[in-house]
Amino acid sequence: NAGVTQTPKFQVLKTGQSMTLQCAQDMNHNSMYWYRQDPGMGLRLIYYSASEGTTDKGEVPNGYNVSRLNKREFSLRLESAAPSQTSVYFCAVLFAGTDTQYFGPGTRLTVL
Amino acid sequence: EDQVTQSPEALRLQEGESSSLNCSYTVSGLRGLFWYRQDPGKGPEFLFTLYSAGEEKEKERLKATLTKKESFLHITAPKPEDSATYLCAVQFSGSARQLTFGSGTQLTVLP
Repeated sequence: NAGVTQTPKFQVLKTGQSMTLQCAQDMNHNSMYWYRQDPGMGLRLIYYSASEGTTDKGEVPNGYNVSRLNKREFSLRLESAAPSQTSVYFCAVLFAGTDTQYFGPGTRLTVL
Repeated sequence: EDQVTQSPEALRLQEGESSSLNCSYTVSGLRGLFWYRQDPGKGPEFLFTLYSAGEEKEKERLKATLTKKESFLHITAPKPEDSATYLCAVQFSGSARQLTFGSGTQLTVLP
């Protein structure tokens, strides 16, 4: 997965619980992204970060917060999980000098 | 509204039976079009980037082409290991390299 790691791989939450999904890169790239993938809908962008300390909303940001405290890590937080947030979440990194995003292995989240 | 549409949703081929997957887009200011392969339970794996109409890229049994309105992923003499979901995504000019994805084509190649 091109040096992109995500934790955890699987998670089950109850409605209203909170959790943080972690993404880390072992390179020095600036831009990182969070997507969610739902059946029949393709991947949709939740948030992205063009550089350390900056974040911007994507297509579906409601119910999520993100944090980019350093260049290596980009975290996605669900403050109060809802069943509609059941999905597979992918982190991606834009390789510097290219237009190509490389994806992590994903986190499968179920909210009951 | 910018849109990316992939067809067919699912495709079953016999081993060796060549075919094409389609990705059509309506977008103002295309920067690039990307093809990814995704295996079950895994993250998308980058295949190709195309930037201008007429451009072609090849990798093993796969060839991607681009026109002003669509892209094709041609699969020549596929093997069972080519079975996967193929995702198309577009990147717009002026965006922070954001990608807009189609919903994918699930390809099954039968031995």
